[in-house]
Amino acid sequence: GAGVSQTPSNKVTEKGKYVELRCDPISGHTALYWYRQSLGQGPEFLIYFQGTGAADDSGLPNDRFFAVRPEGSVSTLKIQRTERGDSAVYLCASSPQGMNTEAFFGQGTRLTVV
Amino acid sequence: AQSVTQPDIHITVSEGASLELRCNYSYGATPYLFWYVQSPGQGLQLLLKYFSGDTLVQGIKGFEAEFKRSQSSFNLRKPSVHWSDAAEYFCAVGARGGADGLTFGKGTHLIIQP
Repeated sequence: GAGVSQTPSNKVTEKGKYVELRCDPISGHTALYWYRQSLGQGPEFLIYFQGTGAADDSGLPNDRFFAVRPEGSVSTLKIQRTERGDSAVYLCASSPQGMNTEAFFGQGTRLTVV
Repeated sequence: AQSVTQPDIHITVSEGASLELRCNYSYGATPYLFWYVQSPGQGLQLLLKYFSGDTLVQGIKGFEAEFKRSQSSFNLRKPSVHWSDAAEYFCAVGARGGADGLTFGKGTHLIIQP
């Protein structure tokens, strides 16, 4: 596709359940980022991949959050034992090199934990 | 740690009037600076960025921003706004020398009056 694709666009889950959010970056982009945007806030950095490896996961809030990018393209953000406070829009961005060049954002996945 | 402050949560401007959105940053050295726009149902789009050189940066959609080191500011301006400019605007800072994630401000919601 032409842009960054995130699926699903909306996800409603019950507290305590496990969820996976998917990001398809622009083809050829080696850098991939996950951000979380809570209501009324700016995006908050979660994790950065360069290729297949997580170059910086310092933004992950706790060990319930995990992300993978096994083939250096598609990435999955995984949240275990979801809590109501995890409700937010999860944004993915990709870039040819890194955020300090132009990065392209997907439209996000709106996660609601009930 | 770097931080970004956008002092105005909401700004209302008449169509055709000029616009200035404020952004102040905190960082130990000269950072990379960005402005992104987020329209309803759309992903974040890069308006412009400052890395080095000329402190007045031109972006897309007729926007410009000026980096002022002495004031730690990177204000966004447009001489004449259009109704389609109504959106959420985010200022962001990135660390030099790395491809780490950006730190975003909380955003300014721009309302255009007819």
